[in-house]
Amino acid sequence: KAGVTQTPRYLIKTRGQQVTLSCSPISGHRSVSWYQQTPGQGLQFLFEYFSETQRNKGNFPGRFSGRQFSNSRSEMNVSTLELGDSALYLCASSLGVGQFFGPGTRLTVL
Amino acid sequence: SQQGEEDPQALSIQEGENATMNCSYKTSINNLQWYRQNSGRGLVHLILIRSNEREKHSGRLRVTLDTSKKSSSLLITASRAADTASYFCATEGRGGSYIPTFGRGTSLIVHP
Repeated sequence: KAGVTQTPRYLIKTRGQQVTLSCSPISGHRSVSWYQQTPGQGLQFLFEYFSETQRNKGNFPGRFSGRQFSNSRSEMNVSTLELGDSALYLCASSLGVGQFFGPGTRLTVL
Repeated sequence: SQQGEEDPQALSIQEGENATMNCSYKTSINNLQWYRQNSGRGLVHLILIRSNEREKHSGRLRVTLDTSKKSSSLLITASRAADTASYFCATEGRGGSYIPTFGRGTSLIVHP
């Protein structure tokens, strides 16, 4: 089976812009989670989607949002980008126990 | 807040030596997982140990779990330069949530 894929792999944006990241889970996985990884804060959970519904949410501002489509593909959107949003954004899919991560999208906000 | 906390934060060893990393957590768990992350890449799932298990092996990896002490250890035997990476523990708590909570990781450097 193909692994979790994320696009794009690298992205450079400026403050105030918005960005959309995409994640395709492993075939058959209905749970997709998003994480933000920074050197200072480590890996922080953003949200989890299951069958097109947000099932869990981390402690991030409303500028961070997501959605999941009927084919389980998920997108994450960040509006009004701030410098502190520069990070590696990781997506993970799961069948229930254990998560399989994609390679991540490296977002740089200038 | 981080549930799992790895120790040490950094570890530097020679090829062929064993590497031991520890993880402590705060609340009851269903299972604990170890992941590896090569620099700036995604995480790779290494091994999962359930709360009713005490030890698990996978190749050169050995994981132990002590639920009374709320701690786990990951042992990599006969380390190789390719083992250089960051290692994270993640706990899945009880109560139906499948979202693991990650620690900050141990950075392992294996010198050839």
